[in-house]
Amino acid sequence: AQKVTQAQTEISVVEKEDVTLDCVYETRDTTYYLFWYKQPPSGELVFLIRRNSFDEQNEISGRYSWNFQKSTSSFNFTITASQVVDSAVYFCALSVRSQRIYNFNKFYFGSGTKLNVKP
Amino acid sequence: DVKVTQSSRYLVKRTGEKVFLECVQDMDHENMFWYRQDPGLGLRLIYFSYDVKMKEKGDIPEGYSVSREKKERFSLILESASTNQTSMYLCASRSTAYNEQFFGPGTRLTVL
Repeated sequence: AQKVTQAQTEISVVEKEDVTLDCVYETRDTTYYLFWYKQPPSGELVFLIRRNSFDEQNEISGRYSWNFQKSTSSFNFTITASQVVDSAVYFCALSVRSQRIYNFNKFYFGSGTKLNVKP
Repeated sequence: DVKVTQSSRYLVKRTGEKVFLECVQDMDHENMFWYRQDPGLGLRLIYFSYDVKMKEKGDIPEGYSVSREKKERFSLILESASTNQTSMYLCASRSTAYNEQFFGPGTRLTVL
């Protein structure tokens, strides 16, 4: 079975602090994709990053960085020098190929982590 | 840029009404999805469509139906709205060439 766990329900930090959002996934598939999405108060989920299971390189994009470790089934997200605009709910997701429907991937979302960045 | 639009941002309906939520994407994506989002429960998949006229139940299809007559449009139908269907509804689309889902702005539905 597939599952995504985001154990941190809510995190509060003060602006300029670094913060890491944890994501642990479960799957027996050898080919899969991992994602992070941001949901600001406006409500729309915004795609941040995609990682496939064969690429364990960490990625950095400005103040954002992602650490993918297959050995621990984790795909953690770090925001460096957080800002008030980073306040949002962040979702981690797993995508695996359907056994039944051709060329279709099913998505599994974590329950989300609400990040509050205070000025 | 991929654009997914939903017909309403906010909607208020009465119990027993038939409700249509419309979703349109402009990137010729094959797959489309309807989720509902409730506090503490994350995103839950209601229905999805992997091609025109093809639809499948997700994890919580009870009380809902869908329609996909054209590739760009995926409609969610509440046959007889009930108060427990008060929620945020999110539509998404996905190309089979890539993997990420792209989401619409959401419809916050209140059933009185």
